[in-house]
Amino acid sequence: AQSVAQPEDQVNVAEGNPLTVKCTYSVSGNPYLFWYVQYPNRGLQFLLKYITGDNLVKGSYGFEAEFNKSQTSFHLKKPSALVSDSALYFCAVYNFNKFYFGSGTKLNVKP
Amino acid sequence: DSGVTQTPKHLITATGQRVTLRCSPRSGDLSVYWYQQSLDQGLQFLIQYYNGEERAKGNILERFSAQQFPDLHSELNLSSLELGDSALYFCASSETESRQETQYFGPGTRLLVL
Repeated sequence: AQSVAQPEDQVNVAEGNPLTVKCTYSVSGNPYLFWYVQYPNRGLQFLLKYITGDNLVKGSYGFEAEFNKSQTSFHLKKPSALVSDSALYFCAVYNFNKFYFGSGTKLNVKP
Repeated sequence: DSGVTQTPKHLITATGQRVTLRCSPRSGDLSVYWYQQSLDQGLQFLIQYYNGEERAKGNILERFSAQQFPDLHSELNLSSLELGDSALYFCASSETESRQETQYFGPGTRLLVL
């Protein structure tokens, strides 16, 4: 079965520290991988995507993600967290005409 | 502001009823996607239309249907509503048919079934 896992419901980090939000997937073939962010009472916003090419993908707002095929992971990272990064983050995989979303990880950045 | 609009913002209805949710994509975007976000099911892809034709189908129930009109706006019809259909329904649009394109999401329609 195709699936996407975000093993952490919540990640807490201090402002200025690096952050990582984890995502692993279990799909066949060569999927497309995405990260979205959802701010309170708002729709999702696209952050970045991996189709092919370099394993390190750079996206919006200083975020980047590292694709690791052997570990089937696509972790979201940022070198220095901001309080304004506090939001709900979703990892998504597109494969064989369907999107699969992780359950979401709430990121709390404390001043 | 993504440029994608959805109406209504909120909808309260009763079980067994039928509702229609509307989505207007960004200017120039030909693809429209529908998603459901609920507390127990998380975020789920429902269906994609491209230039009026269905392109991909996700976890859409048979009680639900959608269409995309010649002016490219889309409607999601939900019938025989159940309590479990209460959720936030998002639409997104992208320029082409390709699912690797960046999708721009609307603010969502919050549906409450009582």
